[in-house]
Amino acid sequence: DTAVSQTPKYLVTQMGNDKSIKCEQNLGHDTMYWYKQDSKKFLKIMFSYNNKELIINETVPNRFSPKSPDKAHLNLHINSLELGDSAVYFCASSQVVTSYEQYFGPGTRLTVT
Amino acid sequence: DQQVKQNSPSLSVQEGRISILNCDYTNSMFDYFLWYKKYPAEGPTFLISISSIKDKNEDGRFTVFLNKSAKHLSLHIVPSQPGDSAVYFCAASGETSGSRLTFGEGTQLTVNP
Repeated sequence: DTAVSQTPKYLVTQMGNDKSIKCEQNLGHDTMYWYKQDSKKFLKIMFSYNNKELIINETVPNRFSPKSPDKAHLNLHINSLELGDSAVYFCASSQVVTSYEQYFGPGTRLTVT
Repeated sequence: DQQVKQNSPSLSVQEGRISILNCDYTNSMFDYFLWYKKYPAEGPTFLISISSIKDKNEDGRFTVFLNKSAKHLSLHIVPSQPGDSAVYFCAASGETSGSRLTFGEGTQLTVNP
């Protein structure tokens, strides 16, 4: 039974399109995150939500908008996709906002052509 | 500004021998450190952690050592097994970071039978 799931696993799209990546966790955790792993393999945090409230918002273009309909879901919507958005995006969750141990989803590989 | 560095992109060891993965950090505010393991096409999975009030934490075959004065930590795997072959990420956080994790770029460990 998957703890943190993401859909889709692969996403290929053209520049200028708008796309969404969905994330769900069934661990009962309060906090969820989005990370981006770029071509240099660094994992960098983008956003964090605690009980549907935004608590971390790193310097990302405002074309990226997270949405948390409830504490088990954190979706990532990307407008006007650019070539540089190509990366693997990971969703993660932790039990509470002060917990450092985060549980990651399998990742979504986004390719923008 | 790369605050967590893993200077070895890859490491190859024989089955049964010790694997030592290294990590250096620059931010003196970091006080909690984690190691994650990542297999291809999967998300990172939490392996072991250490608080700055300790200098060693052990869990089965895995031991993490922390040298605060040198701002250095290492992960020892003894004995190494082929199933340990994966990318290992070092991550750090601190009270002022909230739940934000700063990751290194990872080290690919290959354990040869």
